[in-house]
Amino acid sequence: GAVVSQHPSWVICKSGTSVKIECRSLDFQATTMFWYRQFPKQSLMLMATSNEGSKATYEQGVEKDKFLINHASLTLSTLTVTSAHPEDSSFYICSARWGGLEEKLFFGSGTQLSVL
Amino acid sequence: QKEVEQDPGPLSVPEGAIVSLNCTYSNSAFQYFMWYRQYSRKGPELLMYTYSSGNKEDGRFTAQVDKSSKYISLFIRDSQPSDSATYLCAMWGYGQNFVFGPGTRLSVLP
Repeated sequence: GAVVSQHPSWVICKSGTSVKIECRSLDFQATTMFWYRQFPKQSLMLMATSNEGSKATYEQGVEKDKFLINHASLTLSTLTVTSAHPEDSSFYICSARWGGLEEKLFFGSGTQLSVL
Repeated sequence: QKEVEQDPGPLSVPEGAIVSLNCTYSNSAFQYFMWYRQYSRKGPELLMYTYSSGNKEDGRFTAQVDKSSKYISLFIRDSQPSDSATYLCAMWGYGQNFVFGPGTRLSVLP
């Protein structure tokens, strides 16, 4: 299957700082990438849909100014958690849509964010 | 009614057992059906991908789709402790978004 690389795998930061998470499709071009949040033992929660060259579409209840998404190229999307607070601590996962007649989603390995 | 429903478990089985995981859905526009496996603190991994109704087999895994009943299944034969993970069903159709089930946590006990 196609490979999606997500970095960093984990990050610890102080409250009030900003953290950037990168999601790269390594062997295919992804016009659409998705960002999810996942709490322990819970399912994926879609945060936003990121389309290359345009503004991201955020799900209801997700703060656009807190979670900045940039999809500047067909292989890279970034999520920046701005002014992070302890309640932003979570597991963040990206996925990239592999296009064609049969579309598939491939996921990154996830980023564990801990805000102190 | 949720768009995709899945028994959340947790499900515990002895090693070597046959495991049956199931999802039901309500949107008849879904045509492509997927099963993902997610280990703890990892991203989901695509296991099976099927189109429309029918069966697909890959090693110890068999995916079944019954579009008339809006019901999909994943069977795991000769289950192993390494199969212990959360299994997510997902589906998609033209003009539709990808939709995921809530996941079923499986533990295969040695």
